[in-house]
Order: sequence, then C-alpha cells, then structure tokens
Amino acid sequence: QKEVEQDPGPLSVPEGAIVSLNCTYSNSAFQYFMWYRQYSRKGPELLMYTYSSGNKEDGRFTAQVDKSSKYISLFIRDSQPSDSATYLCAMSDRGSTLGRLYFGRGTQLTVWP
Amino acid sequence: EAQVTQNPRYLITVTGKKLTVTCSQNMNHEYMSWYRQDPGLGLRQIYYSMNVEATDKGDVPEGYKVSRKEKRNFPLILESPSPNQTSLYFCASSSHTVPETQYFGPGTRLLVL
Repeated sequence: QKEVEQDPGPLSVPEGAIVSLNCTYSNSAFQYFMWYRQYSRKGPELLMYTYSSGNKEDGRFTAQVDKSSKYISLFIRDSQPSDSATYLCAMSDRGSTLGRLYFGRGTQLTVWP
Repeated sequence: EAQVTQNPRYLITVTGKKLTVTCSQNMNHEYMSWYRQDPGLGLRQIYYSMNVEATDKGDVPEGYKVSRKEKRNFPLILESPSPNQTSLYFCASSSHTVPETQYFGPGTRLLVL
C-alpha cells in the first residue's frame, strides 16, 4: 500500500462547478501537505501548502487537512477551463515542504466551458 | 531568466549503456531533487539534495546515482540503464527560504530499448 493514495480520476466538470480533490495517507508523521498542479507537457508547480491541520485559502483555492482522519482536500471554487490539469498531492515528514516527499498518483481534471 | 534546465530533453538509448542527464539551475538554490513520472504511478522522488555534498535517497533510488559537487548542478547518472527506467524525468530546485517553492525543469523523456 502506498503511503499516499489519490484517486486518479479522470474528473470532468462544467465551468463554474466546485471541484473537490482528495488524498488519504497512512503516515501520521507527515507534517506538511502540498498540492501541485501540472499542465500537460509541463513540470509540476506548487499551488498551495499547509502545515499540520486546518484550512488555507488562496483565491478560488482552499486546502484542508484533517490529521485525525489522515485526509486532505483541495477545493476549487468557480472552476475555469484554465484549471484543467493534473493535481498532485504531496506530503513531507520533515519540518518543511522539501526533503523526502511522498506524492499521490495525481487526479486529472477537465473543466469544460 | 530564472530557470532549471535539463539536458538532453529526449533520449533513446540501449540497455546497459551508461548515461547522464544533467540538471542546472541559475537561482542559487540550495535544494535540488530528481523525480520520475510514469503513467498510473504518478511522480516519484529518486534522490534529493538539501545542499552541496548532501544527498539522500527518495522513493525509488535503485539503479540511479547522483552527485552534488557544486550548487548549481545535480546530474542524474544511470550506470546500466534498463527498460524499466524508461520514463519522464524531472529535476527541481528550491531555496530554503519560505515558502520553499520547488521550480521544476522541462523534463527529460528517456526510452531504454
């Protein structure tokens, strides 16, 4: 069993929909939780990160961490066609977003106009 | 322009023929890392380097070597490539200054026959 599980989708939604992307994990030592976005034929880019439990909001994006359930989520409000990409969750058991990182398989999202 | 460069971008080789994929960054970043990305398996970390002369294994280090003799370069060496190392490889770098955002290179697509 992988340490980080993520449903690969694909997920297809209409423009304006609220999107929910999720990952579960098994290692209770994870402290930093990250979401990367990867457009087709490009390298990933860091979208958001959260330390420990709680919520973090950045524009249309909200990241949530529930350490008691070992479950993290990324919500996208008012989704746009430009949000179409693969979203990868990643986790770290070090005191930062760097070092040994554990990635989910990625969820492919398509937002259609 | 701040960037991470990888060479070559595309490579076809044969089993057992040693090869090196170079990675260079011009942002004076301390941290560098190598990943491979395969369909259905997502992004997996091969090696990472927190700073010069400091390298550590990631998720899938078998069959790979790295060295970090200077800050800007982090080559990935395949001493005896095998077909199961056919993959898309990404190099990334980051400073240790918060928010510690990793910047990814454009990727190297490797085919081992």
